[in-house]
Amino acid sequence: RKEVEQDPGPFNVPEGATVAFNCTYSNSASQSFFWYRQDCRKEPKLLMSVYSSGNEDGRFTAQLNRASQYISLLIRDSKLSDSATYLCVVRETGYALNFGKGTSLLVTP
Amino acid sequence: ETGVTQTPRHLVMGMTNKKSLKCEQHLGHNAMYWYKQSAKKPLELMFVYNFKEQTENNSVPSRFSPECPNSSHLFLHLHTLQPEDSALYLCASSQDGTGGGQDSGYTFGSGTRLTVV
Repeated sequence: RKEVEQDPGPFNVPEGATVAFNCTYSNSASQSFFWYRQDCRKEPKLLMSVYSSGNEDGRFTAQLNRASQYISLLIRDSKLSDSATYLCVVRETGYALNFGKGTSLLVTP
Repeated sequence: ETGVTQTPRHLVMGMTNKKSLKCEQHLGHNAMYWYKQSAKKPLELMFVYNFKEQTENNSVPSRFSPECPNSSHLFLHLHTLQPEDSALYLCASSQDGTGGGQDSGYTFGSGTRLTVV
């Protein structure tokens, strides 16, 4: 199983800021892409799927660049409640998902 | 009950004990998984079951023994564990995971935080 790489952070940003996370994956045959959010001592929860055309859900925008094997997540107008670890996740083939180590975000007042 | 339920939430066991972790999903999914999450490491896949048949064992030591009696239940039997096995053990389920636009990823349970003493 190949690598999913993320900058672990932490990213410390003030409320209202825009923050971007990047992720690279090594398997060019990867099929599906996701961002998960994990709060401290909790389970990961699906934040959004990432589609080739890019997709937006409120303040969150995800982009996929298959040629560069690169995924991004943009959070606009950060809230205190956005503080969490954001996991980049890739499905290569079959059923199993491959997780990055996560990027830690702390939004401060 | 909805979603994916794991019990117990916390477990402390000695190295000579035998215990079992339980997972139940109420989502009608076909596939179930065990993952291990240790500090400072990414989630590590342990086992994959599809329609209660094991399809992947990610080189997990034999002191971890999975059991999947049906598509809704998954167990992880533990015996003679080591302190380095202390971690958060997460169960997840998914619908047919063949990728593509309809792929909705996993739903995780809350996990069992295991401490081996």
